[in-house]
Amino acid sequence: SQTIHQWPATLVQPVGSPLSLECTVEGTSNPNLYWYRQAAGRGLQLLFYSVGIGQISSEVPQNLSASRPQDRQFILSSKKLLLSDSGFYLCAWSSGRVNYGYTFGSGTRLTVV
Amino acid sequence: KNQVEQSPQSLIILEGKNCTLQCNYTVSPFSNLRWYKQDTGRGPVSLTIMTFSENTKSNGRYTATLDADTKQSSLHITASQLSDSASYICVVSARNTDKLIFGTGTRLQVFP
Repeated sequence: SQTIHQWPATLVQPVGSPLSLECTVEGTSNPNLYWYRQAAGRGLQLLFYSVGIGQISSEVPQNLSASRPQDRQFILSSKKLLLSDSGFYLCAWSSGRVNYGYTFGSGTRLTVV
Repeated sequence: KNQVEQSPQSLIILEGKNCTLQCNYTVSPFSNLRWYKQDTGRGPVSLTIMTFSENTKSNGRYTATLDADTKQSSLHITASQLSDSASYICVVSARNTDKLIFGTGTRLQVFP
């Protein structure tokens, strides 16, 4: 069966420090991968999605970047964090087949201080 | 503009009672509608997924309905339990795309 792992679960980082959040998927190949941010009381906002190794699409201009160095690995990064980067970050994967399942990771609570 | 709106924003019920959450969408062309349950500080977990041709789907005590003509969906929770306390998110996808449009969720609290 397919599983998705996301870490760390919580992170407190000072303003201006770098960021690296990692997400890996097991039990499937060539998944579509996504990074979302969820602000308090708001819906999920799509940040990046990837349909293959090295293929990254950005949905919104921001201080963050994403990379996909391996088929089942998706990384969210920043060179210098801003206070506004605080939030709940979720990784997700799908097979890309319409009407198929769409599975989320357990999330990372990032607090920038 | 593709949008998903949910109501109510929050809901408090007593354990054992039933409740119904609403979702209206303007996504077109419609492909499918999903309901997720999200516990605080955790990732969303899928409850149901319905395509255009389906008008009801159950998952245990959760029953989702879909009216594609009026573009409305509901999630009915029967005999609520304390563990049902969570946010419930309605998510719609348009045809020919893998991207999802999220509602802002309904925060449900079940009290003993």
